[in-house]
Amino acid sequence: RKEVEQDPGPFNVPEGATVAFNCTYSNSASQSFFWYRQDCRKEPKLLMSVYSSGNEDGRFTAQLNRASQYISLLIRDSKLSDSATYLCVVNRGNQGGKLIFGQGTELSVKP
Amino acid sequence: ETGVTQTPRHLVMGMTNKKSLKCEQHLGHNAMYWYKQSAKKPLELMFVYNFKEQTENNSVPSRFSPECPNSSHLFLHLHTLQPEDSALYLCASSPSGDYYEQYFGPGTRLTVT
Repeated sequence: RKEVEQDPGPFNVPEGATVAFNCTYSNSASQSFFWYRQDCRKEPKLLMSVYSSGNEDGRFTAQLNRASQYISLLIRDSKLSDSATYLCVVNRGNQGGKLIFGQGTELSVKP
Repeated sequence: ETGVTQTPRHLVMGMTNKKSLKCEQHLGHNAMYWYKQSAKKPLELMFVYNFKEQTENNSVPSRFSPECPNSSHLFLHLHTLQPEDSALYLCASSPSGDYYEQYFGPGTRLTVT
């Protein structure tokens, strides 16, 4: 089983749609959770950290379910500029800043 | 953004060449990382430095040799690489090596011929 698994995608959605990405992780000792965004041939950029209580940043909402070892990202009112690959990232349990990256889910928002 | 810079941005090298990748962070962080990203694969952690000390070598072949002279600079020395080493090499930094978000440089796209 992969340490971090994401929906393989790609997701093709029209502008204005709501889209949800799912991610599961295998190490129950993991403490830090993030969503990164990576545009084609660019570096990953931190989109948001994910907290136990869930958190929201504008059109983006992240949820964490520790019992199910599941993380989600919801994007509302999709924009063309949201087209990118979204990476689910989890730290490796008690190994501090050692981050494990999912393979990414590609999102394409069409006019 | 200029928080983490990497040079060169593109590099083509033969299998017998020696080259070095450079990373510099201007964020006052104390941890720095090298990652490899091959086509259609997740990012793979290669090395971790925390307060200039190497704390992680993720079973990386010895043809990759990291160097961290201070908390702001990180190098990756390359020699006798193989074509399968062609990839995007990303540097990242974080405030320390524990549970912090990492910020990435733009990467060096390496092609080994």
